[in-house]
Amino acid sequence: AQSVAQPEDQVNVAEGNPLTVKCTYSVSGNPYLFWYVQYPNRGLQFLLKYITGDNLVKGSYGFEAEFNKSQTSFHLKKPSALVSDSALYFCAVRVGSSNTGKLIFGQGTTLQVKP
Amino acid sequence: ETGVTQSPTHLIKTRGQQVTLRCSSQSGHNTVSWYQQALGQGPQFIFQYYREEENGRGNFPPRFSGLQFPNYSSELNVNALELDDSALYLCASSEGTPSYYEQYFGPGTRLTVT
Repeated sequence: AQSVAQPEDQVNVAEGNPLTVKCTYSVSGNPYLFWYVQYPNRGLQFLLKYITGDNLVKGSYGFEAEFNKSQTSFHLKKPSALVSDSALYFCAVRVGSSNTGKLIFGQGTTLQVKP
Repeated sequence: ETGVTQSPTHLIKTRGQQVTLRCSSQSGHNTVSWYQQALGQGPQFIFQYYREEENGRGNFPPRFSGLQFPNYSSELNVNALELDDSALYLCASSEGTPSYYEQYFGPGTRLTVT
């Protein structure tokens, strides 16, 4: 069965420090991986995606993610966190051969950046 | 903000009633997907519409149905509402069906069933 795991319910980091939000996946076939962010009472905003090629993907607002096929991971990173980065982050996966629109989401990780 | 809009913002219904939620996709997008997000959970895929046809469905019963119109806007209909249907319903649009296309989400409709 295809699945996505975000092992941390919450990540706390001080402003200016680097942050990492972890994601691992389990799929058959080539994965297409996505990160979304959700602010309170808002929909999900697309941050970045991995399709193929370079394992380090750069996205919006200074975020980047590293695809590691051997560890089946796609961790979200940012070199210097901002208080405004505090939000709920979701990792999601689609299988390459599917055209059915089915994004499989993790449970989400709350990022808290403290001044 | 994306160009995806949803209405209404909030809705309160009674168990057993029927509800219709609406979504306007982003300009140039012909594919719409619907998701249910229960409190504290990640979104769960309900179904996708492409060119007015359903072309993918998640593990939701038939009382969840939908439509897509020629302008690519969409409706989600839920019949015989149950308490567990209380959730945030998200609509997402994309340029097409290929799996590598990102989906752009609307702000959601918060449905409360009492």
